[in-house]
Amino acid sequence: GIQVEQSPPDLILQEGANSTLRCNFSDSVNNLQWFHQNPWGQLINLFYIPSGTKQNGRLSATTVATERYSLLYISSSQTTDSGVYFCAVAANQAGTALIFGKGTTLSVSS
Amino acid sequence: GAVVSQHPSWVICKSGTSVKIECRSLDFQATTMFWYRQFPKQSLMLMATSNEGSKATYEQGVEKDKFLINHASLTLSTLTVTSAHPEDSSFYICSASPVTSGGDTQYFGPGTRLTVL
Repeated sequence: GIQVEQSPPDLILQEGANSTLRCNFSDSVNNLQWFHQNPWGQLINLFYIPSGTKQNGRLSATTVATERYSLLYISSSQTTDSGVYFCAVAANQAGTALIFGKGTTLSVSS
Repeated sequence: GAVVSQHPSWVICKSGTSVKIECRSLDFQATTMFWYRQFPKQSLMLMATSNEGSKATYEQGVEKDKFLINHASLTLSTLTVTSAHPEDSSFYICSASPVTSGGDTQYFGPGTRLTVL
């Protein structure tokens, strides 16, 4: 099956710093989503981005489908950005379950 | 929009008992829902795909007789952990895709934390 690798596994930042999280995947996908899991376990949809670039406030994401990777940018990080960031992909037809990477644990200190 | 709820949010039970977890799409219909399990400090692992009106499809290694899934309507799927044991303690999360979205973007419930004593 499709493999999803995220890097780095852990990231420690000072408030105000910028960061880039990477997601590599092993096969063509028709669905790629970035999530933030908060301390209570809730997965928050950040982006649905199987290709192209999107921005939402301090967050932006780019997926280069032909090279099988996606990047999540966090600018001017805040302590509330702390948590685990997951990349998840689905191949083939719509309605297929998402396969998750192992996540990047981000800690932002003030 | 696109809200998924789960009930209960947490449950503690004795070994050998059964626990039912509900997953509801509150403001959309979903012909397909998914159940995931997450152990502490690990990623989400797909357990099964739940299809409205038909049998669920289980991932390799997931016991279908232990984890009973019922998808009775376009807004409700249930997961029953039968004869639960301490090793079943985990965080169970469901997700659903709105029918109108063509099955792309998936929305996740808040999860159910199960502790088996």
